[in-house]
Amino acid sequence: EVQLVESGGGLVQPGGSLRLSCAASGFNFNNFWMSWVRQAPGKGLEWVANIKRDGSEIYYVDSVKGRFTISRDNAKHSLFLQMNSLRAEDTAVYYCTTLEKGPFGKFDDWGQGTLVTVSS
Amino acid sequence: SYVLIQPPSVSVAPGETARFTCGGNNVAFQSVHWYQQKPGQAPVLVICYDNDRPSGIPERFSGSSSGNTATLTISRVEAGDEADYYCQVWDGGSDHWVFGGGTKLTVL
Repeated sequence: EVQLVESGGGLVQPGGSLRLSCAASGFNFNNFWMSWVRQAPGKGLEWVANIKRDGSEIYYVDSVKGRFTISRDNAKHSLFLQMNSLRAEDTAVYYCTTLEKGPFGKFDDWGQGTLVTVSS
Repeated sequence: SYVLIQPPSVSVAPGETARFTCGGNNVAFQSVHWYQQKPGQAPVLVICYDNDRPSGIPERFSGSSSGNTATLTISRVEAGDEADYYCQVWDGGSDHWVFGGGTKLTVL
């Protein structure tokens, strides 16, 4: 059974930093693209970032480019999202997902999410 | 960047058919995926590649796509289908993965 468990969320002041983690199990992590998708309170889904199996391709939504960094540790079956220069509009539940085959692909499995609140 | 337009809400009675539209420029040339999100839960993939059902998704769920509109159809709607439904595509022009704004299904 695929399991994705996010951690690292919390309350942070504007301009601050936070590092999210996602622990994966139940599938061959090394064979999957991975993604972060977020959802602001009461709003819809927004794709944030993707990383290819070996980390050789990375994509970001425009609003986080230069501030967020996605990375992975295949040996530890873990996905990360380093978030710097946080803004109020980054407040959201952040979901870790598998992304089947990258372009054209679908978000197959989702974690339960971790809440990030950016507020003074 | 590519935009997907979904109506904010759909309401149907139990046993009826619910249809969710997802509008986008030549969306029929895209691979459209649909997700169901119940309150307080993570999204679940219900239709992929326009009309494929992942394992465990009832046959009542189906999809289609033509021209500028993709459609998710739920037949014989049940109270447990009440949720938000999102369409999603990959925009090759920008290398962005795009979601529609979502449609809330209310079962009357």
